[in-house]
Amino acid sequence: ETGVTQTPRHLVMGMTNKKSLKCEQHLGHNAMYWYKQSAKKPLELMFVYNFKEQTENNSVPSRFSPECPNSSHLFLHLHTLQPEDSALYLCASSHDWDVGQPQHFGDGTRLSIL
Amino acid sequence: QKEVEQNSGPLSVPEGAIASLNCTYSDRGSQSFFWYRQYSGKSPELIMSIYSNGDKEDGRFTAQLNKASQYVSLLIRDSQPSDSATYLCAVTPNQAGTALIFGKGTTLSVSS
Repeated sequence: ETGVTQTPRHLVMGMTNKKSLKCEQHLGHNAMYWYKQSAKKPLELMFVYNFKEQTENNSVPSRFSPECPNSSHLFLHLHTLQPEDSALYLCASSHDWDVGQPQHFGDGTRLSIL
Repeated sequence: QKEVEQNSGPLSVPEGAIASLNCTYSDRGSQSFFWYRQYSGKSPELIMSIYSNGDKEDGRFTAQLNKASQYVSLLIRDSQPSDSATYLCAVTPNQAGTALIFGKGTTLSVSS
């Protein structure tokens, strides 16, 4: 496997459900990111992890809970979501948390909240 | 609020023409600039990076950066229908970390 892999690709859940999104990168990178992409809005940075440590939480509601057990894996735990949370959730990685490092994206999880 | 602005389009060009995509940014201290291509239903794919003023060419793509005017552009020569996608401009602000700020993207349509 190569690149950044996200599972599942599609997820439909009710507002009371609990689910998790998974991201795995095979690039040997040390920094990982979660982004939210909604229609007609720019990509929104949610969380940044560098060497497994969270370095940025961009004022994300607590119903989104990230977990980074190692530099290759990143999870986003979801609970009690709202309809406005329906979006494409993208994971990305970069070599490290340094200015100028390009980010490589996974294919995303399309999330629909009923 | 640091911002990156792009014309949402759609920008329509005939096959073989030059497509010109523009982006402006608000943080004068921004240091790194990227262009991503995103096909419908797919993830953003890095196609160009530029760090200093001037032009950078890679195949049919040329990125242009003017820090004094705070704009970055992408030229696509000999446009092909396969270039039809949304092009995202991303900027690294002048602070530690690589938290890219993205524009909303410009949709390009190349007609055959």
